[in-house]
Amino acid sequence: ETGVTQTPRHLVMGMTNKKSLKCEQHLGHNAMYWYKQSAKKPLELMFVYSLEERVENNSVPSRFSPECPNSSHLFLHLHTLQPEDSALYLCASSQEWLGLYEQYFGPGTRLTVT
Amino acid sequence: AQTVTQSQPEMSVQEAETVTLSCTYDTSESNYYLFWYKQPPSRQMILVIRQEAYKQQNATENRFSVNFQKAAKSFSLKISDSQLGDTAMYFCAFMKAYSGAGSYQLTFGKGTKLSVIP
Repeated sequence: ETGVTQTPRHLVMGMTNKKSLKCEQHLGHNAMYWYKQSAKKPLELMFVYSLEERVENNSVPSRFSPECPNSSHLFLHLHTLQPEDSALYLCASSQEWLGLYEQYFGPGTRLTVT
Repeated sequence: AQTVTQSQPEMSVQEAETVTLSCTYDTSESNYYLFWYKQPPSRQMILVIRQEAYKQQNATENRFSVNFQKAAKSFSLKISDSQLGDTAMYFCAFMKAYSGAGSYQLTFGKGTKLSVIP
C-alpha cells in the first residue's frame, strides 16, 4: 500500500448504529486530518492531529469522535448520526516542519446515513 | 479567518485548448501558501500546483501554471493543451504559514467542475 488509504470506501448506516472510519498513511508523515465533503459546499476541516495530539476541533458535533493511536493511523468513530451527516469523508496527512506542508489525501469514505 | 472564492462552478474546454480557472481569496496574513487540487471522478484528491506567497515568480508544473497576483488576492490556474484526463473538480486552497503544531490547515473554495470535450 502506498500513500493514504481509507476503509471502508462506502458505508451505509442507520441513525442508531455505531461505526468507525479508518485512515492509514504510508508516507512517514506526522500530521493527519479529517475533512467532510458535502455537495455544493467547500471541504470542511473537522479534526487535526499533530504528533498524535489533537490540535484542532472545528466545532464538530460530539457524535463524531476521532482517535489517533499512532502517527500512521487515524480513526473517526461515528454514533447516532443524522441524515445531514451523509457526505464524503476525506483523510489527509502531511509532514509538518522541514519546509514541507503539502497535504496528501486518501480516496475517501462515502457515508450514507439512513 | 480566510475565505476562498471560486466563481466558476462549471467550465468546459475543447481537447488541446487552453482554459483558465479563477480563484480569489481574502486574508490578512502576509505569509501563506496557495494550492490547486484536482479531484477526478474517482475522488482521490491530487495536488496540482502550489505557490508560496513570498515568491513573485508564478509556479509552473508541466501544462499547469498559475497567475498569482498578491495585491489583488487572485490565484488563477491555466491548463494548456487540455487532455481528457484533466476532467475533474478543481479546488483552490489557502494555507497560513507555519505557526505551531497543527497549523498547516487548508481552507478550500467550492470548486470548479472542468469538463474536457473530445
